[in-house]
Amino acid sequence: DTGVSQDPRHKITKRGQNVTFRCDPISEHNRLYWYRQTLGQGPEFLTYFQNEAQLEKSRLLSDRFSAERPKGSFSTLEIQRTEQGDSAMYLCASSKRDTVLVLTFGAGSRLTVL
Amino acid sequence: DQQVKQNSPSLSVQEGRISILNCDYTNSMFDYFLWYKKYPAEGPTFLISISSIKDKNEDGRFTVFLNKSAKHLSLHIVPSQPGDSAVYFCAARHYGQNFVFGPGTRLSVLP
Repeated sequence: DTGVSQDPRHKITKRGQNVTFRCDPISEHNRLYWYRQTLGQGPEFLTYFQNEAQLEKSRLLSDRFSAERPKGSFSTLEIQRTEQGDSAMYLCASSKRDTVLVLTFGAGSRLTVL
Repeated sequence: DQQVKQNSPSLSVQEGRISILNCDYTNSMFDYFLWYKKYPAEGPTFLISISSIKDKNEDGRFTVFLNKSAKHLSLHIVPSQPGDSAVYFCAARHYGQNFVFGPGTRLSVLP
């Protein structure tokens, strides 16, 4: 078990470009979460999946954001037409359905929008 | 509207002494609470949890206390070690909803 993997660890992009982050959860975990963390704040919930179904989306997730988990395994988070305000750490976490009370986080993908 | 507050951005403690990290919440419907620890360049790591039906949970050097009437919980680390230096996040959940995290407290344990 290698834990939750996220790629890339750091992405620098220019405003207006699209970026995509990938998350590979722990293999037996059927729930997958995306959080965003900005400086001085705790993680803020964006969205979560149970298997391939996206069950909840936060109001923080604007139309420029889209997340997928096509086969119920890895997930991608795409941000279109990035803005400087999108600069943050994007954290992925996973959990088993019967232990949803504990989330296992990845190391995160840091986005810097210039 | 911040539902989970950690009013101390930072805390310094001498090695071997007790560290007390505090967390306040506003939503009386929260029924489950977690503490996470985060080292630089790593994701948050689960530390300890407590259900609203309990007022104390202990795991080795870590104890979490819950005071529901005051909507307050605290994490005690005894004895504190330099390796405990990290950012600590408190998180709370209302049944069926996702966790809400506080802004974190940076703990520095001085040798």
